[in-house]
Amino acid sequence: NAGVTQTPKFRILKIGQSMTLQCTQDMNHNYMYWYRQDPGMGLKLIYYSVGAGITDKGEVPNGYNVSRSTTEDFPLRLELAAPSQTSVYFCASSMDRDYTEAFFGQGTRLTVV
Amino acid sequence: AQSVAQPEDQVNVAEGNPLTVKCTYSVSGNPYLFWYVQYPNRGLQFLLKYITGDNLVKGSYGFEAEFNKSQTSFHLKKPSALVSDSALYFCAVRRQTGANNLFFGTGTRLTVIP
Repeated sequence: NAGVTQTPKFRILKIGQSMTLQCTQDMNHNYMYWYRQDPGMGLKLIYYSVGAGITDKGEVPNGYNVSRSTTEDFPLRLELAAPSQTSVYFCASSMDRDYTEAFFGQGTRLTVV
Repeated sequence: AQSVAQPEDQVNVAEGNPLTVKCTYSVSGNPYLFWYVQYPNRGLQFLLKYITGDNLVKGSYGFEAEFNKSQTSFHLKKPSALVSDSALYFCAVRRQTGANNLFFGTGTRLTVIP
């Protein structure tokens, strides 16, 4: 089925460890996004990309890095995990900047201890 | 600055009754407005959006929303609620120009009682 696939679904990290959250979409969407959702809060944009090779910061980029080498993939990197990064992370893609036909992945629940 | 307010954390409605989930927004310039639904352990699913044109927007699963510029509101409605509509609903806004991110509300949990 077409859509956005995120891996892993769950992860526990120790403080200071690093990891990469994977995201891939098969709809040939140019726009891809990473959001985080904290308990009782709305989603906040971490980074986004408007096409392969182009990324930009969102509302809460500190502590994260991204890359976009292909249209399909948009991994999110945490270099030095901190407890404040405990959250649910959602990857999304859309046809354009108007979030046309936007799809969200199922999310990655990350706990930093 | 953009922001979204969903004043009700929880809305309960009997099956078959009409439902309303409220949303008000603040944005400079003209807004793009969205509603998303989140089922347990799932990502957000797009319901509908307002870009321009008719103030009444129809979306997926029988939902609709009315854009009211004077009241800066974009309430989600459905004429007859189903138990399967029980979920978490998020309203989001972005400016038509400028930054690319959606600003989300904190969500409203809808429970439809059989």
